[in-house]
Amino acid sequence: DARVTQTPRHKVTEMGQEVTMRCQPILGHNTVFWYRQTMMQGLELLAYFRNRAPLDDSGMPKDRFSAEMPDATLATLKIQPSEPRDSAVYFCASGLLWTGGSQPQHFGDGTRLSIL
Amino acid sequence: SQQGEEDPQALSIQEGENATMNCSYKTSINNLQWYRQNSGRGLVHLILIRSNEREKHSGRLRVTLDTSKKSSSLLITASRAADTASYFCATVATSGSRLTFGEGTQLTVNP
Repeated sequence: DARVTQTPRHKVTEMGQEVTMRCQPILGHNTVFWYRQTMMQGLELLAYFRNRAPLDDSGMPKDRFSAEMPDATLATLKIQPSEPRDSAVYFCASGLLWTGGSQPQHFGDGTRLSIL
Repeated sequence: SQQGEEDPQALSIQEGENATMNCSYKTSINNLQWYRQNSGRGLVHLILIRSNEREKHSGRLRVTLDTSKKSSSLLITASRAADTASYFCATVATSGSRLTFGEGTQLTVNP
């Protein structure tokens, strides 16, 4: 079965450090999503791309977060500088979607990030 | 902010019993989806129901949708210990394609 692959699975670093999370979406999917999951806020959409173009990044703190899709096989989410409040599980999901589309999203297993 | 609200927040049942989880939402939707999340894993899509559908079945899962009440329910029949997980409803608004998730129901099925 095709799967969304996320690396690393776990990351522990000190505040102020740059963090880069990577995602390989399922081949052929045209939309990639980044979510953050915490106990307090639940699942929040940070940003998403369609055909590699950013469509919505309103959920992301712009001053420290950036999301890119350098090619169809790689999406990245960067935090610089990182802060303890960024500690969470970050999920990437991909899908074959269009406006009002009715296709499921396929999730990776996440990157568990701890900022000390 | 979360669009959907699941009820109950937590549910504990015995193997073989049925489990019912409810979801309410606020805006007009194109479709509603249910996902399962096992501990330490990503979300897995279970079932999708469109706004013009009222009920849908998939194996031991039954989903209903009442757009007039802006609510949905997920029924898992003859539950198994392996069904232990968090279950999330997610809505797709009529104007877009992004999913908005509820807070989830933690289901524990005791053997």
